[in-house]
Amino acid sequence: DSGVTQTPKHLITATGQRVTLRCSPRSGDLSVYWYQQSLDQGLQFLIQYYNGEERAKGNILERFSAQQFPDLHSELNLSSLELGDSALYFCASSVEGGGYYNEQFFGPGTRLTVL
Amino acid sequence: DQQVKQNSPSLSVQEGRISILNCDYTNSMFDYFLWYKKYPAEGPTFLISISSIKDKNEDGRFTVFLNKSAKHLSLHIVPSQPGDSAVYFCAASVGNDYKLSFGAGTTVTVRA
Repeated sequence: DSGVTQTPKHLITATGQRVTLRCSPRSGDLSVYWYQQSLDQGLQFLIQYYNGEERAKGNILERFSAQQFPDLHSELNLSSLELGDSALYFCASSVEGGGYYNEQFFGPGTRLTVL
Repeated sequence: DQQVKQNSPSLSVQEGRISILNCDYTNSMFDYFLWYKKYPAEGPTFLISISSIKDKNEDGRFTVFLNKSAKHLSLHIVPSQPGDSAVYFCAASVGNDYKLSFGAGTTVTVRA
């Protein structure tokens, strides 16, 4: 158990809909990262928050947005869903915002299926 | 653009033998490399890392080798155990960067 929790574990929805994925980081971790893993692909970095502020953006679509709340939990919002958005979405957390040996601890992921 | 590549999607090895997983990268700015292990229905778990100032790092049964000139790293598991059956991801980052670039993973199956 990494200490990072993600809800829900599974989500099935239809095209055009909007969903929210939730992540609670490990106690004491200030950084939250979101990754997307599509079928047979590596994890693709989406976005990072550090202590409530957006730190960096990766290959995140405009239909997707995220935020980190004062209690440091984070939500990833996916809207106008398309079939291609079906994937595993991982959240990770770390103590610092970057740097060597700044190990990221991953949650179990949310499997999103768009029908 | 896939900057980290794991060209072998799967590897089968007998228990007690050596497992060798390979990873290639294209971005010469990468200077920190990590291996993550993932079991089904779980998130990736950090396994071992190496910075570009080294060419080898060892932790128990796991050793990572880095060949900067070839932009290649490998993970050796000796001896392989049934509990090592998992998907292994290679990842890389640049200096103080936040972002990890991951390979597609190699599924290791350890046969009894």
